[in-house]
Amino acid sequence: GAGVSQTPSNKVTEKGKYVELRCDPISGHTALYWYRQSLGQGPEFLIYFQGTGAADDSGLPNDRFFAVRPEGSVSTLKIQRTERGDSAVYLCASSLQAGSTEAFFGQGTRLTVV
Amino acid sequence: QKEVEQDPGPLSVPEGAIVSLNCTYSNSAFQYFMWYRQYSRKGPELLMYTYSSGNKEDGRFTAQVDKSSKYISLFIRDSQPSDSATYLCAMGEGGTSYGKLTFGQGTILTVHP
Repeated sequence: GAGVSQTPSNKVTEKGKYVELRCDPISGHTALYWYRQSLGQGPEFLIYFQGTGAADDSGLPNDRFFAVRPEGSVSTLKIQRTERGDSAVYLCASSLQAGSTEAFFGQGTRLTVV
Repeated sequence: QKEVEQDPGPLSVPEGAIVSLNCTYSNSAFQYFMWYRQYSRKGPELLMYTYSSGNKEDGRFTAQVDKSSKYISLFIRDSQPSDSATYLCAMGEGGTSYGKLTFGQGTILTVHP
């Protein structure tokens, strides 16, 4: 596609449920990033992939959060036992490679945990 | 204390004004510096990036970095209503952490006609 695509655009879930958020990067981009943006804050780094492997997952807040990129393209961010504090916009970005300065962001998935 | 501090504003200016947006940082390992613009309910888009101290100009935008003071700025000349958005500074260390950016809180800018 022309840009980074994230689905769903909005997700409302009940506390304690499991959710999956999907990111489809720009074709040919090998680096993929996940960020979380709370209301009124800047994006906070969660994890980034170079190819299929997680190069840095130091931003994942706890073991309820997990991300995969099995074929080096689409990535899924998985959140188990969701909590109200997980409510935020989850942003995905991709770049040609990890050393590229320009990362292109998707529009995000707005997650609301009720 | 956050690694990157940015005045959240909001900042309201008349069309044609010069806008100055600023961030300070505490991590000396930051090697590259970026400014992103984010419209409401959209993802951030890269405006400018730089690696070194000094000024970098691109059209109406000038990015300034002072590594000795750990201070970066973005200047917008002849501001337009279409510049109304949230402006985010972002910084990275490079090396094995190249993909990881640390963002400021964002400054909300409104340019009124």
